[in-house]
Amino acid sequence: NAGVTQTPKFQVLKTGQSMTLQCAQDMNHNSMYWYRQDPGMGLRLIYYSASEGTTDKGEVPNGYNVSRLNKREFSLRLESAAPSQTSVYFCASSEASGGHNEQFFGPGTRLTVL
Amino acid sequence: AQKVTQAQTEISVVEKEDVTLDCVYETRDTTYYLFWYKQPPSGELVFLIRRNSFDEQNEISGRYSWNFQKSTSSFNFTITASQVVDSAVYFCALSPPTIAGGSYIPTFGRGTSLIVHP
Repeated sequence: NAGVTQTPKFQVLKTGQSMTLQCAQDMNHNSMYWYRQDPGMGLRLIYYSASEGTTDKGEVPNGYNVSRLNKREFSLRLESAAPSQTSVYFCASSEASGGHNEQFFGPGTRLTVL
Repeated sequence: AQKVTQAQTEISVVEKEDVTLDCVYETRDTTYYLFWYKQPPSGELVFLIRRNSFDEQNEISGRYSWNFQKSTSSFNFTITASQVVDSAVYFCALSPPTIAGGSYIPTFGRGTSLIVHP
């Protein structure tokens, strides 16, 4: 099992450009999440998907959109990138049967917006 | 609202020293779950342990031990005889049992960076 995979690993964008971060999991998990990690800020939730077909905003959703393509895949889109979106982005997944389930994280995408 | 505080931003120790990472949480839920995750220099976050609010037994796994005290809302993590490979950022997280829709949203602390010098 690959667990949670993310592409790309690194990306440099110019202000105003758009891009999509891809995430896939092979653990048959129902819930998936997108976080951003900034120095000294810990992990902040951008969007999550409780199950296939549903998505909800997290703590910092502005400037992002998501798509739960199927049970395996959950993508994050930046429509018009801004320097404030320079960050490391993590995708995670978990079982949905309760809050006792730990999250499994992907390797992260390091995004720089110039 | 939930809150997790990791007051120690960075801890520096010499190999073989014992070190304790503090985690203090706030929640109004009577049932909740606490987690620790490790983020080594490679960047990937790795799950270490889960504890539910009804189980206050301490847990030991090799050199790692966790002390959960409901009375002080703390879930501290101790590494005994630290090693260079323990160098990482450690995150404490708090989760409610469930929310509408079948998903739960954990709250993460800001992390403690542990540096173990040889």
